Amino acid sequence: GENVEQHPSTLSVQEGDSAVIKCTYSDSASNYFPWYKQELGKGPQLIIDIRSNVGEKKDQRIAVTLNKTAKHFSLHITETQPEDSAVYFCAASLNTGNQFYFGTGTSLTVIP
Amino acid sequence: DGGITQSPKYLFRKEGQNVTLSCEQNLNHDAMYWYRQDPGQGLRLIYYSQIVNDFQKGDIAEGYSVSREKKESFPLTVTSAQKNPTAFYLCASSNRAPLEQYFGPGTRLTVT
Repeated sequence: GENVEQHPSTLSVQEGDSAVIKCTYSDSASNYFPWYKQELGKGPQLIIDIRSNVGEKKDQRIAVTLNKTAKHFSLHITETQPEDSAVYFCAASLNTGNQFYFGTGTSLTVIP
Repeated sequence: DGGITQSPKYLFRKEGQNVTLSCEQNLNHDAMYWYRQDPGQGLRLIYYSQIVNDFQKGDIAEGYSVSREKKESFPLTVTSAQKNPTAFYLCASSNRAPLEQYFGPGTRLTVT
């Protein structure tokens, strides 16, 4: 089955700096890669996703890049703000609606 | 949290009792999922269902049961056979295409 690895497990940045979280996956058939933000005591919130026919996708301060050859994808947050502090999860899935495979999460702290 | 509701937010039970967690969605999604999240860890799949009256075991199904009698509802029963039931339980739903999975707010179950 699919195995998703996520790094780093914790990340601290100064407000205004950029943050990068990286994930690798094992199954070359995976073709959908979402990123979730989870605040304490709440359910994960989908913040951005990318499909295998696209190399990069941006939404304001958030971007995701995908390298299918190397089987890795990354989340980039620019101009970080304290409200970006949360746990971020990556995931991988086949576009058949079966299972989502999650990384172990990155706890991001933005220091004011 | 989109159109997914989970109730209650906090649930307390004595050891040896079965307990049922509610999950309802009004997104008209075909697929629904139950995950378990332990402190500082990622999401582990318990059960998922792609259509009404059908469901499949995930990675940690032992000690849990589900039903999918209606498209909108996917209740999870934590049985007394589950050795360590105290955890944060998350319900999610997704469409087949595009494949975007949304989460509910979660239920924190404490068994003493």
